[in-house]
Amino acid sequence: GAGVSQTPSNKVTEKGKYVELRCDPISGHTALYWYRQSLGQGPEFLIYFQGTGAADDSGLPNDRFFAVRPEGSVSTLKIQRTERGDSAVYLCASSSTGSISDTQYFGPGTRLTVL
Amino acid sequence: KQEVTQIPAALSVPEGENLVLNCSFTDSAIYNLQWFRQDPGKGLTSLLLIQSSQREQTSGRLNASLDKSSGRSTLYIAASQPGDSATYLCAVPNFGNEKLTFGTGTRLTIIP
Repeated sequence: GAGVSQTPSNKVTEKGKYVELRCDPISGHTALYWYRQSLGQGPEFLIYFQGTGAADDSGLPNDRFFAVRPEGSVSTLKIQRTERGDSAVYLCASSSTGSISDTQYFGPGTRLTVL
Repeated sequence: KQEVTQIPAALSVPEGENLVLNCSFTDSAIYNLQWFRQDPGKGLTSLLLIQSSQREQTSGRLNASLDKSSGRSTLYIAASQPGDSATYLCAVPNFGNEKLTFGTGTRLTIIP
């Protein structure tokens, strides 16, 4: 596609529920990143994929968070037993090769609200 | 651990004025620094990427400077327009991996 897309754009759920957030990167980009942005803050790194594998998942806050990228393109961020503190905008980005010199291109984000 | 700071958190200026946004970082061993723009409810748009070997990078009315030794970068916007109103974020990648560390942003409002 022309850019990074994310679905849904908004997700409202109840505490304790399970949610999945989807990211479609730019076609051909091998690197994919997930970030989380709380109100008034800059984005914080969650996980980075190179191809199908998670190269760095050090930003995942706890084991309720999990992400996959089974075919090296689309990625899904999964959150189990959601808590009110999980409310944030979840941003996905992709880059061509994952090189440190590559520009990361961001999607519009998914705004998650946990009631 | 790299920390990135942006001051002020918010800035309002009249249309037509030139302005400077500031970004500071604690670890000067950076590979590059990137400036982004974020409109309300939208994702991030990359504005400028300045390599550690560069002192400046320009795109239209935007000019980014980088002083690694002092841990500072500035984004200069010339002849500001109402359409420039947005939140501006700076970010640096970590050596050894590519994840970006972001500042908290400066919310810019251009007053017509």
